[in-house]
Amino acid sequence: DVKVTQSSRYLVKRTGEKVFLECVQDMDHENMFWYRQDPGLGLRLIYFSYDVKMKEKGDIPEGYSVSREKKERFSLILESASTNQTSMYLCASSAVGQGSYEQYFGPGTRLTVT
Amino acid sequence: EDQVTQSPEALRLQEGESSSLNCSYTVSGLRGLFWYRQDPGKGPEFLFTLYSAGEEKEKERLKATLTKKESFLHITAPKPEDSATYLCAVQPISSGSARQLTFGSGTQLTVLP
Repeated sequence: DVKVTQSSRYLVKRTGEKVFLECVQDMDHENMFWYRQDPGLGLRLIYFSYDVKMKEKGDIPEGYSVSREKKERFSLILESASTNQTSMYLCASSAVGQGSYEQYFGPGTRLTVT
Repeated sequence: EDQVTQSPEALRLQEGESSSLNCSYTVSGLRGLFWYRQDPGKGPEFLFTLYSAGEEKEKERLKATLTKKESFLHITAPKPEDSATYLCAVQPISSGSARQLTFGSGTQLTVLP
């Protein structure tokens, strides 16, 4: 079974703090993704990566950055957390090759910025 | 711009009362359509991928179908454990090497005993 793990289930940070969210997948997937999920807005793509050290902006990259130094690990960084970044953050991964590229998700990190 | 609209936003059913969830999409070209189930406080769980109009996939009490403009998730004789939010997502042909998805807002299904 594909397993995607995220470093924290719940996180509380103060405005202005630098926040690191880490995601690890154990299936040797090339692609990794960070989403945020808010009521009524669905899942919105923040950043994604299709290879080590490669990254692309998604639909809402402002206020975020990412790092992928190893294939299995993809980090989301909030340089200076703000209250409007309070949300559920979901990491996902997918394989490359023949087939459907379905994404497999981690359990999520509920971040509260106060 | 790719768009995915799911309806209804919320649905309450009695146990055993069959129904369907709708996912309407607008994409320049469809590579695949995905259905996920999400329980409260958890990440989405992959259910199905559909590739072309007329295709159907089944899993237990769930059956997903696809036309050129929409997909339906049919739930037959649901049980309370089917209660969850069901998400639909499309993968456009124009999606890049990572084959990113565009998600709908979901349908929150509650099945009452």
